[in-house]
Amino acid sequence: GIQVEQSPPDLILQEGANSTLRCNFSDSVNNLQWFHQNPWGQLINLFYIPSGTKQNGRLSATTVATERYSLLYISSSQTTDSGVYFCAVQTGNQFYFGTGTSLTVIP
Amino acid sequence: GAGVSQSPSNKVTEKGKDVELRCDPISGHTALYWYRQSLGQGLEFLIYFQGNSAPDKSGLPSDRFSAERTGGSVSTLTIQRTQQEDSAVYLCASSPLGGDTEAFFGQGTRLTVV
Repeated sequence: GIQVEQSPPDLILQEGANSTLRCNFSDSVNNLQWFHQNPWGQLINLFYIPSGTKQNGRLSATTVATERYSLLYISSSQTTDSGVYFCAVQTGNQFYFGTGTSLTVIP
Repeated sequence: GAGVSQSPSNKVTEKGKDVELRCDPISGHTALYWYRQSLGQGLEFLIYFQGNSAPDKSGLPSDRFSAERTGGSVSTLTIQRTQQEDSAVYLCASSPLGGDTEAFFGQGTRLTVV
């Protein structure tokens, strides 16, 4: 199956700081999504972004499919941004998840 | 409902008992996925449905695990003779068509085998 690597594995930020999370994948994919796992374990959709750039408020994402990576940008971070961020790629019938970036935003 | 709904939210069962986990996908979504997340582990694919058919069961870890989907809607994941290593959060997702379409996850069922 496809290998999905996320970096950094852990990130601690001061409130208000900006950050970039990266997702590298090993093969062509037909779907890429970013999720935020909240403290109760639910995966919240952030972006459906197989290619191109999207923005939603303080968050934006860019996927360069030809180079097999995606970036998630978080600007002006807030404590509510804390949690684990997952990148998931899909080829065929399965989503393949990275191991996540654990983000802690401190006030 | 508006989102993917899973029940129960939490389940504690004794080793050796059978359990059933339920998933109600978003109305009209033909693709349905089951994943599990063990403590400190990543998300592990279990099974994929397109309509009522399961063309990909490759992730089911043993023959104690089975799943079905009826009416192109509700799906049930059954674990027979539960073991402690089955303890995990079981997540269900649905998407309109499968590949190339956005998937949405439910809140999960936390299964604890004691």
